[in-house]
Amino acid sequence: RKEVEQDPGPFNVPEGATVAFNCTYSNSASQSFFWYRQDCRKEPKLLMSVYSSGNEDGRFTAQLNRASQYISLLIRDSKLSDSATYLCVVNSEFSSGSARQLTFGSGTQLTVLP
Amino acid sequence: EADIYQTPRYLVIGTGKKITLECSQTMGHDKMYWYQQDPGMELHLIHYSYGVNSTEKGDLSSESTVSRIRTEHFPLTLESARPSHTSQYLCASSDFRSDLMNTEAFFGQGTRLTVV
Repeated sequence: RKEVEQDPGPFNVPEGATVAFNCTYSNSASQSFFWYRQDCRKEPKLLMSVYSSGNEDGRFTAQLNRASQYISLLIRDSKLSDSATYLCVVNSEFSSGSARQLTFGSGTQLTVLP
Repeated sequence: EADIYQTPRYLVIGTGKKITLECSQTMGHDKMYWYQQDPGMELHLIHYSYGVNSTEKGDLSSESTVSRIRTEHFPLTLESARPSHTSQYLCASSDFRSDLMNTEAFFGQGTRLTVV
């Protein structure tokens, strides 16, 4: 089982739609959670951190459910410019137990259609 | 914009050549990482470092090696390039703050390597 699993996608939605991405993680000791965005042939960039209380940044809302080990990202009123791959990222222990690493999900591709 | 730089951006090289991919950051970050990503596929961690003289292999087996002699510099070397090494290599860095869990990782623009 992968340490971080995301919806396989791709998601093709019309402009203005609301779209939700889901992510589950297997390491219960994980402490930090993020959503990154990666445009085609570009490097990943931080979209938003995910806090226990949930957080919102404009049209984007992130939620964390520690009991279910589940993270979500909601995009409202989607724009053409939202088209990208969205990566769920978890900060968890290295397999050696020595320290923490960022583990990336495989990403969910979103295409917003005019 | 993040202050992390990778060179070269693109590299086409013949089989058997030795290559070094450069990564430098000016943010004073202790943690640095190398990821490998094939087109449309997920990121795989191949090496990481917590600081000077600290390097470890990541989850994905790689024939590359790394060094960390200076905080700002984390080069990746392939002693003998093969076509199977063709991929994109992304370097990243983050701040190590045990009291600050949500530390962002900053990525370089990547090196697209093609071995022919």
